[in-house]
Amino acid sequence: DTGVSQDPRHKITKRGQNVTFRCDPISEHNRLYWYRQTLGQGPEFLTYFQNEAQLEKSRLLSDRFSAERPKGSFSTLEIQRTEQGDSAMYLCASSPKFRVSSEQYFGPGTRLTVT
Amino acid sequence: GENVEQHPSTLSVQEGDSAVIKCTYSDSASNYFPWYKQELGKRPQLIIDIRSNVGEKKDQRIAVTLNKTAKHFSLHITETQPEDSAVYFCAASNTGFQKLVFGTGTRLLVSP
Repeated sequence: DTGVSQDPRHKITKRGQNVTFRCDPISEHNRLYWYRQTLGQGPEFLTYFQNEAQLEKSRLLSDRFSAERPKGSFSTLEIQRTEQGDSAMYLCASSPKFRVSSEQYFGPGTRLTVT
Repeated sequence: GENVEQHPSTLSVQEGDSAVIKCTYSDSASNYFPWYKQELGKRPQLIIDIRSNVGEKKDQRIAVTLNKTAKHFSLHITETQPEDSAVYFCAASNTGFQKLVFGTGTRLLVSP
């Protein structure tokens, strides 16, 4: 499967614990995005990388959230001191480099449940 | 920032009928408008997109239209089939920011 992959697919954690998710984009894609989706809603943008540079962060992203893409390939999203409101599906997407807006392809997501 | 509104929230049709989903956007700088289909428990899948220099695009039973003046765009599905049942999301972005701003989704149910 050469699509976007995410790991783990499901994560259950207790409030206050830290969690880390991984995203592997399509190999030739240099842009990588993180979104969060809650039940019945569309995905909400969290952050965006072009190669290893984090170019934009949403105001939704509190200081408990951090994302990295150290070598411009895979990315990690860490949530510290999780809260019940963090329960959601965390989606990663990637897109190839063009001069104009280009298609974003989504991974299967990591479903986080904070108890 | 950009705001995307989507209607209706649910749509029920009989197999073979047409379905239309409408979205409006607020930022006149937006120039890329994709549509995603999301089946229960699965990833959003890109089904069609349109750029602001085009008024209409078709792909088999699916078409998208864009009215830049009114800032709205629509998804048209003809000859609907039960496997078209899913949640459909519209989105908008502009070249400068890249991020997609999504609508709230339309649950389409196609009954045999």
